[in-house]
Amino acid sequence: DIVMTQSPDSLSVSLGERATINCKSSQSISYSSNNKNYLAWYQQKPGLPPQLLIYWASTRESGVPDRFSGSGSGTDFTLTISGLQAEDVAVYFCQQYYTTPYTFGQGTKLEIK
Amino acid sequence: QVQLQESGPGLVKPPETLSLTCTVSRGSVSGYHWSWIRQPPGKGLEWIGYIYSSGSTNYNPSLKSRVTMSVDTSKSQFSLKLNSVTAADTAMYYCARGGATWNYFLDLWGQGTLVTVSS
Repeated sequence: DIVMTQSPDSLSVSLGERATINCKSSQSISYSSNNKNYLAWYQQKPGLPPQLLIYWASTRESGVPDRFSGSGSGTDFTLTISGLQAEDVAVYFCQQYYTTPYTFGQGTKLEIK
Repeated sequence: QVQLQESGPGLVKPPETLSLTCTVSRGSVSGYHWSWIRQPPGKGLEWIGYIYSSGSTNYNPSLKSRVTMSVDTSKSQFSLKLNSVTAADTAMYYCARGGATWNYFLDLWGQGTLVTVSS
């Protein structure tokens, strides 16, 4: 199985500041044939299901604010939230869909400082 | 707007079988891969497997011996059965939509249903 490791496990950021979450896969999750990275980011607020934020490592899902951005390729990926807002408090997960079994990172809990 | 809704018993006795159904509202199951994912209380996400609308399946090897998935296109439903459950199977169970191809992100999730395994 591909192991997805996120860092940090928790993060405290002031309102309006930038939050950065990293995700590392145990092997490459990119296909050279189509130059795509099979990496998604999800946001999970308390008591709610995960919600898709980013797919193909850097494509924002429809309706997701542009303060959320994804980057990276190969084995190293980053989710950046620019200008943190109170409603961004959540747990964030990365997931690889390069191969089965699909696997998720352990999650990063984002709080307001 | 397509919606997913999980249903099934909230309490299952060990070593019985956990059975859940996901109903797709305002949409069709045809042409998509449909996944089940679970999340133990306070923990991370584990992908259980997917079923394509044709009925082909792919299960997580960690659960493969105990999992069966099925689809009923006429009812816009797909189902999960997990047999020989133990307390370790206590979790929130989610259904989610993938894509037309198997290697695709999960763009739509149900609200989840909590299943507790206890005698």
